[in-house]
Amino acid sequence: NAGVTQTPKFQVLKTGQSMTLQCAQDMNHEYMSWYRQDPGMGLRLIHYSVGAGITDQGEVPNGYNVSRSTTEDFPLRLLSAAPSQTSVYFCASSYRYGREGEQYFGPGTRLTVT
Amino acid sequence: DAKTTQPPSMDCAEGRAANLPCNHSTISGNEYVYWYRQIHSQGPQYIIHGLKNNETNEMASLIITEDRKSSTLILPHATLRDTAVYYCIVLANAGGTSYGKLTFGQGTILTVHP
Repeated sequence: NAGVTQTPKFQVLKTGQSMTLQCAQDMNHEYMSWYRQDPGMGLRLIHYSVGAGITDQGEVPNGYNVSRSTTEDFPLRLLSAAPSQTSVYFCASSYRYGREGEQYFGPGTRLTVT
Repeated sequence: DAKTTQPPSMDCAEGRAANLPCNHSTISGNEYVYWYRQIHSQGPQYIIHGLKNNETNEMASLIITEDRKSSTLILPHATLRDTAVYYCIVLANAGGTSYGKLTFGQGTILTVHP
């Protein structure tokens, strides 16, 4: 199994540009989520999904959109990038029904917005 | 979810046991204690979790006090590769509304030295 994969690994955007961060998992996990980690900080939840077609907001959802059309993929869209969105983004997945706490994380996407 | 308190940093000699404490005095009856670690620049890695009994797996042991207000993660024979930030997280499993929303605090920076 590849586990949780994220692309790209690094990205530089200009203010106002849009882009999509890709996340995929091959473990047939129902639960997927996106976190951001700012320098010296813990991770903060952006959006999460409990299954295909179902998404919900986390702690810091503003400026981001998600969709979940398949079990495997959970892309994160930045609609109009801002310098405040410079961060490292992690995608995670897990089984549901009592196992949501055991999450597998991807390697991260390092985003810089200038 | 209950809040956790961890020491900001700890040192450990290679080959010795590393004992990482966590205080969670406001934990509720349906909340589990989870431990994750994050090695520099990588995604967080799930280590272990428990409700009230002590738990052990191939990575670590988790000791939870009888009143459940604190816990200790034990790495029995620390190696240099165990140098990381360790996060103690309290989360309700199925039946709660947490839906896997892991709340990462500042964690404990564990440095294992030769």
